[in-house]
Amino acid sequence: TQLLEQSPQFLSIQEGENLTVYCNSSSVFSSLQWYRQEPGEGPVLLVTVVTGGEVKKLKRLTFQFGDARKDSSLHITAAQPGDTGLYLCAGAQGSNYKLTFGKGTLLTVNP
Amino acid sequence: SQTIHQWPATLVQPVGSPLSLECTVEGTSNPNLYWYRQAAGRGLQLLFYSVGIGQISSEVPQNLSASRPQDRQFILSSKKLLLSDSGFYLCAWSPGVGNEKLFFGSGTQLSVL
Repeated sequence: TQLLEQSPQFLSIQEGENLTVYCNSSSVFSSLQWYRQEPGEGPVLLVTVVTGGEVKKLKRLTFQFGDARKDSSLHITAAQPGDTGLYLCAGAQGSNYKLTFGKGTLLTVNP
Repeated sequence: SQTIHQWPATLVQPVGSPLSLECTVEGTSNPNLYWYRQAAGRGLQLLFYSVGIGQISSEVPQNLSASRPQDRQFILSSKKLLLSDSGFYLCAWSPGVGNEKLFFGSGTQLSVL
């Protein structure tokens, strides 16, 4: 059973389009993180959300943590080819320092 | 600033051969250290984590082992590799208990033939 479900698994769009990817769970998380990974590299942390309902913006990326702290979304405005990559969400539970990762959304932005 | 080094970047090994992957962290002390495996460029599976020298927790019973001989050094080993050990291995560190942000190395692509 996958604790964190990410959707869609694959997404291919044209430059300039908007998109939203989702990270859902039936479990409550104390915090949730989003990472982006490029081929042949390690994931890079984009943001951490901690409070239910929290919204964080990072340039054209908007991250939201669900009110119940069970889900999160990532919205990208006016996508660019440089946004291409694997987007992973990861959740932490309580004082447990082990993160649970979703399987990721593989985003391709075509010029 | 903190940096993490992981090597080698790629490795091709025959079935039954030993394995040693090394990871070191600079610019911090007493980090939590992690080994993950990623199959087919998708989700990460936690293999081992360590909160201090000589302290290793295994998440998945398998053909691999880990050691932490020094505060900022984490080693992944195997005595005899299996075909199923192929994958992308990632080392990561975090600042400590209560701060779960992970900083990853650049990974090792292991192919067992």
